[in-house]
This record gives sequence, structure tokens and C-alpha cells, in this order.
Amino acid sequence: GQQLNQSPQSMFIQEGEDVSMNCTSSSIFNTWLWYKQEPGEGPVLLIALYKAGELTSNGRLTAQFGITRKDSFLNISASIPSDVGIYFCLPSGTYKYIFGTGTRLKVLA
Amino acid sequence: EAGVAQSPRYKIIEKRQSVAFWCNPISGHATLYWYQQILGQGPKLLIQFQNNGVVDDSQLPKDRFSAERLKGVDSTLKIQPAKLEDSAVYLCASSKKGDSPLHFGNGTRLTVT
Repeated sequence: GQQLNQSPQSMFIQEGEDVSMNCTSSSIFNTWLWYKQEPGEGPVLLIALYKAGELTSNGRLTAQFGITRKDSFLNISASIPSDVGIYFCLPSGTYKYIFGTGTRLKVLA
Repeated sequence: EAGVAQSPRYKIIEKRQSVAFWCNPISGHATLYWYQQILGQGPKLLIQFQNNGVVDDSQLPKDRFSAERLKGVDSTLKIQPAKLEDSAVYLCASSKKGDSPLHFGNGTRLTVT
């Protein structure tokens, strides 16, 4: 079956630091989505990527669709306390989405 | 636009009882998903509908779980009988079509005692 690795599993950072997380797979995907989930809520879409090599920003967030179509990264610049949450990658191939294991981010003020 | 609506928000039942969850997707969204999220894990797909047809239910425990999407709009997920390991958050999501971004509801938190 398809394997999807998301790293790191968790991060503790100081407010103002930059954050980087990534997802890698042995399979090729057509779409990479990045979501954030806060306690008691459903995941919320942050960035959608549709083309290999695509680099997209959303405020302080930047994500890239790997050129091999097997990976993607998400960067958060100048982190703030409200960035706390769990970040998931959600790639899709042939209309089937697979959740990454999540990166749990904690920001220390 | 209104988001994905789910109810109830919380449910506590005893093992071997039955429970049902309801989801109303975003208007016009053809694809509807039910996910199970156990504490500390990522969501796991239970079933995916395209309009009122099932696209993928390979991870749905069919001996106890059932889901339907009559008329291709809202959907219900049922567990009968519930087991302790069914304690989880059940998330519903919808998308315009199969390869569009998913929009999630806030989920139903089920506790089985």
C-alpha cells in the first residue's frame, strides 16, 4: 500500500522562529493539500498544490509540491502563539486522499 | 458559504448500544467523506460517497458500521453495536468533486463506556 511519512512528529519552538515540516512518499501524487487542526475542531485547509514544482504562499505560510511528485514541504515564518496545532499533509492520487501522521506544533511565547 | 454541519457535537454511550451521526455538506458538493480520528492519530477514511454512490468503503468495518447518503445530499453514519475502541472523533468532509480540496465539519466526539 501507499506509505506516507510526515516529519517531524512534534516541534517545540520559540515565538518568532521559522518552522519547516515535510511529507514524503514512495508514491506519486497529483495534489498536495496542507491542513491545520486545532483542539476540538476539524482540519482547516491552509494551502493547495496542484502542479509539480509549484510554490505557493498564504501569508506567513509557504508550501511546495516536490518536483518528483512524491513529497511536499510546509514552512511557517516568524511563528506566533496561534500557530499552535497539528499540521497534516493530505496528498491525493486518483481521487483518493491519504492523511499524513501530523506534525504537532507548540509555540513558546 | 455555510460550512459542513455535523451533529451531535458529543455523544456518550455504553458498549453494545447503537449511535448515529448526521452530516450536511456544503451546498453543491458532490463528494462526501466520513473519517474516524482516534486521539493522537491522523484521520482515517471510513467511506467516500460521490453523489449517492459509494466510491470507497474499504476501511469501513461493515459488520458494525453503516453509512448512507440518500438523495446525494446529507449523510448518516451508524454504529451498531458500539465497541470501546470506537471511541473517537467522527469527521465529515465534503468537496466539489473527487479531486477538489476537502472542507471539514467540527466532528462528533464519541465516547463508548
